[in-house]
Amino acid sequence: NAGVTQTPKFQVLKTGQSMTLQCAQDMNHNSMYWYRQDPGMGLRLIYYSASEGTTDKGEVPNGYNVSRLNKREFSLRLESAAPSQTSVYFCASSGGRPEPQHFGDGTRLSIL
Amino acid sequence: EDQVTQSPEALRLQEGESSSLNCSYTVSGLRGLFWYRQDPGKGPEFLFTLYSAGEEKEKERLKATLTKKESFLHITAPKPEDSATYLCAVAPPGSARQLTFGSGTQLTVLP
Repeated sequence: NAGVTQTPKFQVLKTGQSMTLQCAQDMNHNSMYWYRQDPGMGLRLIYYSASEGTTDKGEVPNGYNVSRLNKREFSLRLESAAPSQTSVYFCASSGGRPEPQHFGDGTRLSIL
Repeated sequence: EDQVTQSPEALRLQEGESSSLNCSYTVSGLRGLFWYRQDPGKGPEFLFTLYSAGEEKEKERLKATLTKKESFLHITAPKPEDSATYLCAVAPPGSARQLTFGSGTQLTVLP
């Protein structure tokens, strides 16, 4: 049972570079989410997709874009990485609200 | 603004020493409260959902309870493998907001 799979697990970027974080879920969930987790800040929602074909901003969307490619896949793109985006990024999925969200193991991103 | 506050920030227990973690919230019209466990280098792992005041859920040494303003995660006779960060999150009403997470309680159980 894979659940939520995130790639890559680790990445180091230079300021100004771009990259896409990938997320796929095999639970047939409608909703998917991207969070960042920083020490002392808790998990903060970046973007979410309530269903295939829709995306909405969360608490901290600036500097990010997302694509809900199909029901299984939800990607997060950093167009021009900044050191402030150094964080651990988690993808999650759920069958809807208020059902629990299920998380992947994260992507650890460092921007120099 | 919805707020979720967890206390204490860190807790060290001896094996077998029972205790409770607290999650207080200021959300009106709560649609659900969730407890997660997070191990280092891993994503949060779902433990419990509580939907209404008075509800209780149990799993092994863990028991979660909910009142109108807070939730408790009771840990009975903990073992070292219970060491982790425990997160709570609330689902406020409306469609514009998703889960709001607390900052977590880091639990260490010493053998």
